[in-house]
Amino acid sequence: NAGVMQNPRHLVRRRGQEARLRCSPMKGHSHVYWYRQLPEEGLKFMVYLQKENIIDESGMPKERFSAEFPKEGPSILRIQQVVRGDSAAYFCASSPRAADGTGELFFGEGSRLTVL
Amino acid sequence: EDQVTQSPEALRLQEGESSSLNCSYTVSGLRGLFWYRQDPGKGPEFLFTLYSAGEEKEKERLKATLTKKESFLHITAPKPEDSATYLCAVQAGNTGNQFYFGTGTSLTVIP
Repeated sequence: NAGVMQNPRHLVRRRGQEARLRCSPMKGHSHVYWYRQLPEEGLKFMVYLQKENIIDESGMPKERFSAEFPKEGPSILRIQQVVRGDSAAYFCASSPRAADGTGELFFGEGSRLTVL
Repeated sequence: EDQVTQSPEALRLQEGESSSLNCSYTVSGLRGLFWYRQDPGKGPEFLFTLYSAGEEKEKERLKATLTKKESFLHITAPKPEDSATYLCAVQAGNTGNQFYFGTGTSLTVIP
């Protein structure tokens, strides 16, 4: 019974490169959330997606960041032209229910991005 | 503005010494309050969901309660393996897409 799978677990990039983070939700879950966690800070919402749709991207910077959840395959969070301030742990969570209901989120182990 | 505040930031307990963690929240229309446990280098692990004031949930040594303004996570006779960061999150009615997280309470249980 696989949980939320994220890869890579650790990623090192130089300034200006691109980072791609992948997330496969739990089986049967069609709702995916991306969160960012900085040391000593709480989890910050970035984006909420359903299959083939971005529902809420209000927490995601408008420049350099994008997310998708295609019909087939994992959800991807893409960060272009990374800067040192992008260094953080990025967590994906999935839910079996739409956000307009109520329901817990199930998190992956995170992808830790380090920008040199 | 929707807000979640957890206290204390850190807590050290002797094994067997019971205590409580606090989560105060200010949201427009609470849909749900969630407790998670996070171990170092890991993702948050779901513990409880509470939906309405007066509700209580229990799991082993943990018990979560909810009022209109705050939630408590009571830890009874903790063991060293209970050491972790405990996170509180709320889902608000007006922005149900977003779950607002507190910064957590780091619990250390000393043998």
